[in-house]
Amino acid sequence: KAGVTQTPRYLIKTRGQQVTLSCSPISGHRSVSWYQQTPGQGLQFLFEYFSETQRNKGNFPGRFSGRQFSNSRSEMNVSTLELGDSALYLCASSLNGHPNTEAFFGQGTRLTVV
Amino acid sequence: DQQVKQNSPSLSVQEGRISILNCDYTNSMFDYFLWYKKYPAEGPTFLISISSIKDKNEDGRFTVFLNKSAKHLSLHIVPSQPGDSAVYFCAAKSQGAQKLVFGQGTRLTINP
Repeated sequence: KAGVTQTPRYLIKTRGQQVTLSCSPISGHRSVSWYQQTPGQGLQFLFEYFSETQRNKGNFPGRFSGRQFSNSRSEMNVSTLELGDSALYLCASSLNGHPNTEAFFGQGTRLTVV
Repeated sequence: DQQVKQNSPSLSVQEGRISILNCDYTNSMFDYFLWYKKYPAEGPTFLISISSIKDKNEDGRFTVFLNKSAKHLSLHIVPSQPGDSAVYFCAAKSQGAQKLVFGQGTRLTINP
């Protein structure tokens, strides 16, 4: 059974640009969450999608957005990139996002903003 | 406001001995707790979880203990192996919420 797949693995962008990251969840999983990991802030929740609807959103500015497609694949977009957006972006999938189910993470996309 | 805290940034244990990683939380609405292990440049790997209706859950070498009154949980690894060297994250969820709230992580080093 394939795990969570994130593409690309590494990305370098210039300040002011925008970026789109992709996540394919485990087959059969319908909930996809996104997290940002930085040395200073640790792992921070961005948002969660289930059946193409955003159910939860973390404390990030509107420059961070996402969507989910009918096949449960999800994309995350960051516009007007800032240096502080440099981070490891992690996607996690779970069967239905029920509180008592485990979330499985992808390997992440390492974004560097220069 | 750090709702989940791992107060030890690092821990060093001899191979074969017990590793004990600790986690404290402040939000009494949390009712499901998970431990993840993370290697550099990889995503976190799920290890073990526990619901607030239990006080212990065991899976092979890994045991998680939950003390609700103290708002404290711990992960025991017995016996510790060199491959256990990684960063361990404690995470919590509250009823009805899908997001995980993570601690800052503890770097575990197993010495031969």
